[in-house]
Amino acid sequence: DAGVIQSPRHEVTEMGQEVTLRCKPISGHDYLFWYRQTMMRGLELLIYFNNNVPIDDSGMPEDRFSAKMPNASFSTLKIQPSEPRDSAVYFCASSLGFAQPQHFGDGTRLSIL
Amino acid sequence: SQKIEQNSEALNIQEGKTATLTCNYTNYSPAYLQWYRQDPGRGPVFLLLIRENEKEKRKERLKVTFDTTLKQSLFHITASQPADSATYLCALENSGYALNFGKGTSLLVTP
Repeated sequence: DAGVIQSPRHEVTEMGQEVTLRCKPISGHDYLFWYRQTMMRGLELLIYFNNNVPIDDSGMPEDRFSAKMPNASFSTLKIQPSEPRDSAVYFCASSLGFAQPQHFGDGTRLSIL
Repeated sequence: SQKIEQNSEALNIQEGKTATLTCNYTNYSPAYLQWYRQDPGRGPVFLLLIRENEKEKRKERLKVTFDTTLKQSLFHITASQPADSATYLCALENSGYALNFGKGTSLLVTP
């Protein structure tokens, strides 16, 4: 069975550029989560969706970050404009619901120069 | 404020011994707690879930305890193997569906 698929795996871009990260959750999972991981702050929840609707975006650091889920099989996380402090590994995860395991993709390693 | 604390120092143990990792939390009343394993360059992988009304959960060589009075979970790996070397993350339920993660403890099992 295919797991959560993220693309790209690596992204290097210059400050000020727009960055779009993509995620395909596991089919049938109603919940989708975006996380950011850094050495300093660990794994932080940015936003999560239920049935394509954003439920909690309180972890989104600022207005430069936006996330969408146009359908059950696709989500994007966009940063515009990007800044060096956005450099991190971004993970997408999906789950069936309450008290269920979250299944993570292998992440996008983002470097903003 | 809510905090999840895991030992930031790496845990080094010899193959065959039992590894015990600790997760302490404050200002949470989680309905459940989960443990994940993360290998370098990979996403976290789910290991075990324990609910607030459960004291202990086992899966093969893994055991998790959950003490809501002490606000602590212990994660044990018995008969540890070099392949168990990884970072282990504790995660607490927050608002039902979301998880807040600790920063993880790195485990190194040497032959």
